[in-house]
Amino acid sequence: KNEVEQSPQNLTAQEGEFITINCSYSVGISALHWLQQHPGGGIVSLFMLSSGKKKHGRLIATINIQEKHSSLHITASHPRDSAVYICAGSGGGADGLTFGKGTHLIIQP
Amino acid sequence: DGGITQSPKYLFRKEGQNVTLSCEQNLNHDAMYWYRQDPGQGLRLIYYSQIVNDFQKGDIAEGYSVSREKKESFPLTVTSAQKNPTAFYLCASSSSLDAYEQYFGPGTRLTVT
Repeated sequence: KNEVEQSPQNLTAQEGEFITINCSYSVGISALHWLQQHPGGGIVSLFMLSSGKKKHGRLIATINIQEKHSSLHITASHPRDSAVYICAGSGGGADGLTFGKGTHLIIQP
Repeated sequence: DGGITQSPKYLFRKEGQNVTLSCEQNLNHDAMYWYRQDPGQGLRLIYYSQIVNDFQKGDIAEGYSVSREKKESFPLTVTSAQKNPTAFYLCASSSSLDAYEQYFGPGTRLTVT
C-alpha cells in the first residue's frame, strides 16, 4: 500500500520567512503532488512532480527520487499563504492519490 | 469555464437517511474520484471510476455507493450503513491522457445528526 508522510503538522512563521514543508513517500509512488487547501475547503493543485524541481512565483517544489523525498518551499512568505498544504502521491494509472495529513501553515504579519 | 461542481456546499441529514452528493465535470475527463476528509487525517479514497459504467472501490468504500451513467457525472450516495458519515467530501477528476494530474471540486460538508 502506498504511503505518504508529511511534516511538520503545524507551522507558524512571521511574514517574510522562508518556509519548508517536507514529504516522504513509499516505493510504489511515481509522482508527487503538492496541493493547497484554504479554510473554505476547496483544494488547488500547486505542483505535480516526477523529477527535478518546479517553480511558480514564490513557490518552489523539489523531489529527490532516490531518497523518495519532496519539499515545498515558500519564499518571502505572506499572510495570504496561510492554508493547509498537502502532499499526495500517485502510483501511475487512474486509481487515485494517497494523501499526507497536511501541514497547517499560519503566516503572521 | 471548465471545472468540477459539487452541490450542495453544506448538507444536513438525520441519522438513518441515505443522502446523495452530486459531482459534475465539464472537463471531458474519463476518470472521476470521491475522497473523504476527516479532521487530522489525510484524504481517503472512497470510490473511483475510470470509464462510464465502471467503478472500483477505494480504501473506505463500506457504507457508500456510486454510479457512473454519464461521463460528466459521478454521484456518491452515503447510505445508512456508513457508521460515521459526517465529513468533508471531495470529488476529483483526471484525464486518461494525464492520469497523474487531478482536478478537485469545492467539496460538500455533510453533517449527520
